[in-house]
Amino acid sequence: EPEVTQTPSHQVTQMGQEVILRCVPISNHLYFYWYRQILGQKVEFLVSFYNNEISEKSEIFDDQFSVERPDGSNFTLKIRSTKLEDSAMYFCASRGQGRQTGELFFGEGSRLTVL
Amino acid sequence: QQQVKQSPQSLIVQKGGISIINCAYENTAFDYFPWYQQFPGKGPALLIAIRPDVSEKKEGRFTISFNKSAKQFSLHIMDSQPGDSATYFCAASGGSQGNLIFGKGTKLSVKP
Repeated sequence: EPEVTQTPSHQVTQMGQEVILRCVPISNHLYFYWYRQILGQKVEFLVSFYNNEISEKSEIFDDQFSVERPDGSNFTLKIRSTKLEDSAMYFCASRGQGRQTGELFFGEGSRLTVL
Repeated sequence: QQQVKQSPQSLIVQKGGISIINCAYENTAFDYFPWYQQFPGKGPALLIAIRPDVSEKKEGRFTISFNKSAKQFSLHIMDSQPGDSATYFCAASGGSQGNLIFGKGTKLSVKP
């Protein structure tokens, strides 16, 4: 069964460092998303990406965040200068084409710990 | 208006009992209402979903009830099992990009 894969599974970094989280969405999907989940809290939308550009972003997704699809398979989230409050699980998700709404397939997440 | 409100925050049910989790939304543009199940250390996985053209959808032991006029929907888990112990999130989406807005989650514990 096709799945969304994310790397790394866990990253520890110092405050102020840059972090890149990587995702390989399901191959024929066209819509890509990043969500985050602070420990024990709800899953929060960060950004959606379609047709090689950001289609929507939340207020969490400020200038410190960026996304990129550098090739035909990878989808990355970059945090330029990490803060303590960026510590969370980051989930990548993808969705196929068709109806405007439908199932999002989530990866297993990347746990980011900022010290 | 983008919020999805979920209750209860936690739920303890005996094995074989019925688990009921409720959600409410405000945005009438939402047209897709999924429930996701999340086990510790894992990503959310779709459990069951409904669109507003039907009032109920059943898949095995899981049923969504949808009340469009009240802008509420609920998840019923019949014959709850210890393996159902997880966190359940309701969500909603609508509009051109299909972004999911999640509720705060319900931690379900099914006691043997």
